[in-house]
Amino acid sequence: QKEVEQNSGPLSVPEGAIASLNCTYSDRGSQSFFWYRQYSGKSPELIMSIYSNGDKEDGRFTAQLNKASQYVSLLIRDSQPSDSATYLCAVNDSGGYNKLIFGAGTRLAVHP
Amino acid sequence: DGGITQSPKYLFRKEGQNVTLSCEQNLNHDAMYWYRQDPGQGLRLIYYSQIVNDFQKGDIAEGYSVSREKKESFPLTVTSAQKNPTAFYLCASSKTGSNQPQHFGDGTRLSIL
Repeated sequence: QKEVEQNSGPLSVPEGAIASLNCTYSDRGSQSFFWYRQYSGKSPELIMSIYSNGDKEDGRFTAQLNKASQYVSLLIRDSQPSDSATYLCAVNDSGGYNKLIFGAGTRLAVHP
Repeated sequence: DGGITQSPKYLFRKEGQNVTLSCEQNLNHDAMYWYRQDPGQGLRLIYYSQIVNDFQKGDIAEGYSVSREKKESFPLTVTSAQKNPTAFYLCASSKTGSNQPQHFGDGTRLSIL
């Protein structure tokens, strides 16, 4: 059974701090990694994609990938209360068919 | 505006009733997916389709059925065989290829009357 593991949280950080969200995956053949943000009662929204080892930055977001350790992370700098949401990690299923394997998500709470 | 439209937003099912959730996309994506999300849980794959007139079961297909007669449309029927249908149902689509992300509609919330 291919799995994506995330700490369910809540991860509580003060406004302006860096939030660090982590994800491990079991499928060694996975090549594509995604972070989605899901506000309460809403659908997931894609915020970051990463395909190569290392860091990828987009505004206040940085995704980090280490395929050898099967580890993906998302850093949110200068966290804002509007960042409070559940963050889902997803990796492609190397078995094919365009499938993604989703983690259960980490709930982030940014307090003023 | 390109996107994925799910309807209705809220749906109520009576005992023994089949209900159909609509999903339409105008992104010209070949692949479409249905997920179920229960409170505090992750996404579980119900069915997916990579091309018109073809679809495969996901992890929790029992009690559900789909069709893919048009590229733009992938309706999901929740049958009376699904004994616990109360959940948030999400439709997604993507281009084909292992590096393609999925994009989601706004979801349908289904409850039992």
